[in-house]
Amino acid sequence: NAGVTQTPKFRILKIGQSMTLQCTQDMNHNYMYWYRQDPGMGLKLIYYSVGAGITDKGEVPNGYNVSRSTTEDFPLRLELAAPSQTSVYFCASRELAGSDTQYFGPGTRLTVL
Amino acid sequence: QQQVKQSPQSLIVQKGGISIINCAYENTAFDYFPWYQQFPGKGPALLIAIRPDVSEKKEGRFTISFNKSAKQFSLHIMDSQPGDSATYFCAASTGGFKTIFGAGTRLFVKA
Repeated sequence: NAGVTQTPKFRILKIGQSMTLQCTQDMNHNYMYWYRQDPGMGLKLIYYSVGAGITDKGEVPNGYNVSRSTTEDFPLRLELAAPSQTSVYFCASRELAGSDTQYFGPGTRLTVL
Repeated sequence: QQQVKQSPQSLIVQKGGISIINCAYENTAFDYFPWYQQFPGKGPALLIAIRPDVSEKKEGRFTISFNKSAKQFSLHIMDSQPGDSATYFCAASTGGFKTIFGAGTRLFVKA
């Protein structure tokens, strides 16, 4: 199992550009999450999904959108990138029942200039 | 009420010493308290977790102490090693669903 994979690893955007951060998991997990990590601020939940076709907002959803058309994929869309979206983005997944452990991807470091 | 407050922000410990990181929460509905370890350039990974029906959980050199009445929990790393140098996050959730993370503690273990 590859676990949770994220692409790209690094990206530099100009203000106003758009991009999609990709996240895929091969563990057949129902729950998937997107977090952003800013220095000294821990992880903040952006969006989450409890299964294909079902998504909901987390703590900091403004400026982002998500979709979940399959169990495996949970892309995060940034529209009109702003410098405040400069951060490291982590995708995570969790199985529906049993362990509450979240499994994290390696992250995408995004810089908006 | 949804916050998890973590301290200290950074910690330097001598090899072989004990590292202690503390967290406090307000929401009494939290029922799962994990600690995640993160190395530079990597995603966080679960280290150890506890539920509020026990006061302590030990896995190897890592121990969680949980004080339900004080709404506090802590991570103790015994015999700290340079390989333990990482950022540690405490967290809390209800039903393991939406997890609230502390701000993190950067631990450096001096050889």
